[in-house]
Amino acid sequence: QQPVQSPQAVILREGEDAVINCSSSKALYSVHWYRQKHGEAPVFLMILLKGGEQKGHEKISASFNEKKQQSSLYLTASQLSYSGTYFCGTEAGSARQLTFGSGTQLTVLP
Amino acid sequence: DTAVSQTPKYLVTQMGNDKSIKCEQNLGHDTMYWYKQDSKKFLKIMFSYNNKELIINETVPNRFSPKSPDKAHLNLHINSLELGDSAVYFCASSHGENEQFFGPGTRLTVL
Repeated sequence: QQPVQSPQAVILREGEDAVINCSSSKALYSVHWYRQKHGEAPVFLMILLKGGEQKGHEKISASFNEKKQQSSLYLTASQLSYSGTYFCGTEAGSARQLTFGSGTQLTVLP
Repeated sequence: DTAVSQTPKYLVTQMGNDKSIKCEQNLGHDTMYWYKQDSKKFLKIMFSYNNKELIINETVPNRFSPKSPDKAHLNLHINSLELGDSAVYFCASSHGENEQFFGPGTRLTVL
């Protein structure tokens, strides 16, 4: 079953922060985050494994709440280059496959 | 050097035709995937191959068949193309269940 992402879209000014959420009804093994710019391929950001570990990548970090089957992606002091569609992909159960959410379109304005 | 490459980049064809999309990775990964991204940007896995064995097969029509001649290649064959097959198809690869590297995509248009 497809994870649910929120919000569907967000518009920011440079320097502002944003949070993108991803939730699943299934017990999750891991959560992946990818960013896709228009006309390009998705690019990996980070993986979070069950255990509530928080990871960081420059000014982008993420958390994974295993009990709630939720993950959040935090974008701090956003830059123009952060614009794109963010997808979470979840692995659940014994099936080692990624099921992607419907994406969150992030637009950063000058 | 391109890590994951796909050919062709664009493919325009008539309904009922048979076509193939090629994918190659030079990362030494052991797992390769095919994804379909529709006009609403929904990214859905179609197949994955690990060490030349199909390990995932989503409920895709059997008109679609993956073929892996070796660990570095995973080609996608599509028979009797339909209008609904129009989409962007991405190949990806990974080492086990780690981060996936995506190819540039193939935009398929069925007329």
